[in-house]
Amino acid sequence: EAEVAQSPRYKITEKSQAVAFWCDPISGHATLYWYRQILGQGPELLVQFQDESVVDDSQLPKDRFSAERLKGVDSTLKIQPAELGDSAMYLCASSYQRGTSGTSGSKGDTQYFGPGTRLTVL
Amino acid sequence: DQQVKQNSPSLSVQEGRISILNCDYTNSMFDYFLWYKKYPAEGPTFLISISSIKDKNEDGRFTVFLNKSAKHLSLHIVPSQPGDSAVYFCAASPTPGSARQLTFGSGTQLTVLP
Repeated sequence: EAEVAQSPRYKITEKSQAVAFWCDPISGHATLYWYRQILGQGPELLVQFQDESVVDDSQLPKDRFSAERLKGVDSTLKIQPAELGDSAMYLCASSYQRGTSGTSGSKGDTQYFGPGTRLTVL
Repeated sequence: DQQVKQNSPSLSVQEGRISILNCDYTNSMFDYFLWYKKYPAEGPTFLISISSIKDKNEDGRFTVFLNKSAKHLSLHIVPSQPGDSAVYFCAASPTPGSARQLTFGSGTQLTVLP
């Protein structure tokens, strides 16, 4: 069964350092999402890509976070410099969905998540 | 402002009995709803979904009910098994034409006691 791959699984860093997370979505999935999940809360969207284009990055703290999906396949999320409050689980998800039209509730809408990267900032 | 709310942070159920997890939403633009299960140190796993054109969707032991007028959905697991012990997240997506982003609730920790 195809899965979303993420690495590393765990990352410990000191504040002010740079960190990067990698995600490889399910083959053929056009849409890729990065979420941040703080303990005790649900995942919150940081950025959404459709192929190589950013669809929405309104919740991405752009002073320190950046994300790219240069060839429309795998993606990298970077934090520079990391702060204590960035400690969280960073989740990548992908869906088949192409475009924003079409019947809601189709299988193409379902997002499939990777195992996540647990970031600890000391 | 939480648009998707799971008011019960935890639920304990005896093995073999029914588990009922509840979720409320406030945004009337939501029209597609999903439940995810999450084990510690893993990403959420898709469980079941329902479109707003339906009021019930069933998949094996899992059934999701949607009450649009009350803006409420619930997940029923019957019979509950110890392996079902996990955090369950309710998520909602708005109508076509938007970016189909998911808004998650804060989760309910289900514990199934043997």
